[in-house]
Amino acid sequence: SQKIEQNSEALNIQEGKTATLTCNYTNYSPAYLQWYRQDPGRGPVFLLLIRENEKEKRKERLKVTFDTTLKQSLFHITASQPADSATYLCALDRTGANNLFFGTGTRLTVIP
Amino acid sequence: GAVVSQHPSRVICKSGTSVKIECRSLDFQATTMFWYRQFPKQSLMLMATSNEGSKATYEQGVEKDKFLINHASLTLSTLTVTSAHPEDSSFYICSAPSTPQTQYFGPGTRLLVL
Repeated sequence: SQKIEQNSEALNIQEGKTATLTCNYTNYSPAYLQWYRQDPGRGPVFLLLIRENEKEKRKERLKVTFDTTLKQSLFHITASQPADSATYLCALDRTGANNLFFGTGTRLTVIP
Repeated sequence: GAVVSQHPSRVICKSGTSVKIECRSLDFQATTMFWYRQFPKQSLMLMATSNEGSKATYEQGVEKDKFLINHASLTLSTLTVTSAHPEDSSFYICSAPSTPQTQYFGPGTRLLVL
């Protein structure tokens, strides 16, 4: 069956360090993968989309990689700040019709 | 940027009553909207796809007669939880694509059924 797993439920990191979150998927061949941020009691906010033919994508302090051979995406936040503390979700489009299937999420805490 | 709103933000109701949740795209039109449900410490699970002018498409295991979806216009979709029970208590979130590959999510509605 199709599955998306994010490496850990929770990740604590010191302010200023780089946070790396992992998203692994099985039984998919997605054309693209998305990362979202979700704060408690709020809806997800879109961060980045990376296509299958793109190895890496950057946006300010964020960097996403996509390895379709390993079926894995890595999400990096450089120079992390306490304001980056949130749950980060990866998502795949199952059918090509914006039908998103979300990973389990990683709750990131950046410690001052 | 694209904005999606939901109303109400939280609702408490008695078991057996019905609850309607609205999802609006504020500055763009959406022929399709999506409804998700999120239980505590779990990820979002897609419940159904709301299609303007036609019937909603439900995910496997979601009861269409219990979760009624109406997409009356290009900016409004409603989800009605009929005969709600405590196990329906959850965080309901809608989304709408503003571009073919980008979705914008509403702020969510917290439903508590007593």
